[in-house]
Amino acid sequence: EAQVTQNPRYLITVTGKKLTVTCSQNMNHEYMSWYRQDPGLGLRQIYYSMNVEVTDKGDVPEGYKVSRKEKRNFPLILESPSPNQTSLYFCASSLLGQGGFTEAFFGQGTRLTVV
Amino acid sequence: KNQVEQSPQSLIILEGKNCTLQCNYTVSPFSNLRWYKQDTGRGPVSLTIMTFSENTKSNGRYTATLDADTKQSSLHITASQLSDSASYICVVSLYNTDKLIFGTGTRLQVFP
Repeated sequence: EAQVTQNPRYLITVTGKKLTVTCSQNMNHEYMSWYRQDPGLGLRQIYYSMNVEVTDKGDVPEGYKVSRKEKRNFPLILESPSPNQTSLYFCASSLLGQGGFTEAFFGQGTRLTVV
Repeated sequence: KNQVEQSPQSLIILEGKNCTLQCNYTVSPFSNLRWYKQDTGRGPVSLTIMTFSENTKSNGRYTATLDADTKQSSLHITASQLSDSASYICVVSLYNTDKLIFGTGTRLQVFP
């Protein structure tokens, strides 16, 4: 089954304790991205990757890092989490086809709480 | 500024009724417009995707329309079911990138 898998689904952590949220896709998509979703706001892009070893900042990259060592994996790293990073996070992947990018497939989400 | 606005913010309807959700966008250069359904706490799932040359697309009981001249889209849900209760998000893609501009969504609640 084609899917994007995020782990963990839920995470509570303390301020300053480094954490990693994993994301894996099995569709051989080149493009992967991370979003955060906060009440009253649309999804906002944190980082994206066009392919292996190619990453770039989205709209709200401060406080986050990513890596793309393999095509299928795109982990999101919070080196020193702060309470304002409490949010619902989504990983997504898509394919660059002839007519442009295909629809984005989203993971199930990771609800992060930083206390 | 690239922006996607949706209305209404929330909507309550009775099971079996029809409803229409609206999306206005000011995004350039435009590539395609997508409607996603998002159940509470879950990832968005694609319903339809339309390029500027398409003015209607259906997916079961969901029918999306697009007017590229007025930069408006609508999502019509026919014979609503309890499982239609979710947020519906309008998303516009920028041309030649995978940059997505998200609306804030319409929260639909279907009651028996």
